[in-house]
Amino acid sequence: DADVTQTPRNRITKTGKRIMLECSQTKGHDRMYWYRQDPGLGLQLIYYSFDVKDINKGEISDGYSVSRQAQAKFSLSLESAIPNQTALYFCATSEGVGAKTFFGQGTRLTVV
Amino acid sequence: RKEVEQDPGPFNVPEGATVAFNCTYSNSASQSFFWYRQDCRKEPKLLMSVYSSGNEDGRFTAQLNRASQYISLLIRDSKLSDSATYLCVVNNPSNTGKLIFGQGTTLQVKP
Repeated sequence: DADVTQTPRNRITKTGKRIMLECSQTKGHDRMYWYRQDPGLGLQLIYYSFDVKDINKGEISDGYSVSRQAQAKFSLSLESAIPNQTALYFCATSEGVGAKTFFGQGTRLTVV
Repeated sequence: RKEVEQDPGPFNVPEGATVAFNCTYSNSASQSFFWYRQDCRKEPKLLMSVYSSGNEDGRFTAQLNRASQYISLLIRDSKLSDSATYLCVVNNPSNTGKLIFGQGTTLQVKP
């Protein structure tokens, strides 16, 4: 089983719909992240959380929200999806500053 | 200027070739450096950390030049299975250690 699990793996949704991407980890890490990847671009940080009570905006947080339900769970929501949010989304975890980062398998989201 | 810059390639090389990728970063205070590998439509996976003294892992050698702010990855005796995108990753020291990703360099090893 993967240490970092994302659900769903693929999703097609309509413009204006609310959608939630879920992430859970068994690595026991405090730090969790949500990234977005578009073709030809590096991973861009959407939100990050260094513990259950700590939520921070990343570079591209507009149009997204997150919830850290427990140390092991970090979900990403698109309140009203738009087509330019079509991308590959990755959840990730790490132990601390400068530590290795481990990624989930990704969620391919298409907004039509 | 991007915080982490890589030549996107693609680099097309024959099996057995030696290939090198470079990456430059803009924040001189960065302390942690990594190379990740990403296969098509898959998640990035850590290939190796990069240390100031340089480090080697089998056919892979990573080098760091702090004065010039660049990082390199050398792959010797390329295999078909090395075909992937290689991501240069640097920490952002001004923001409690977030990672900054380059856009990646694509390598295609041909038989």
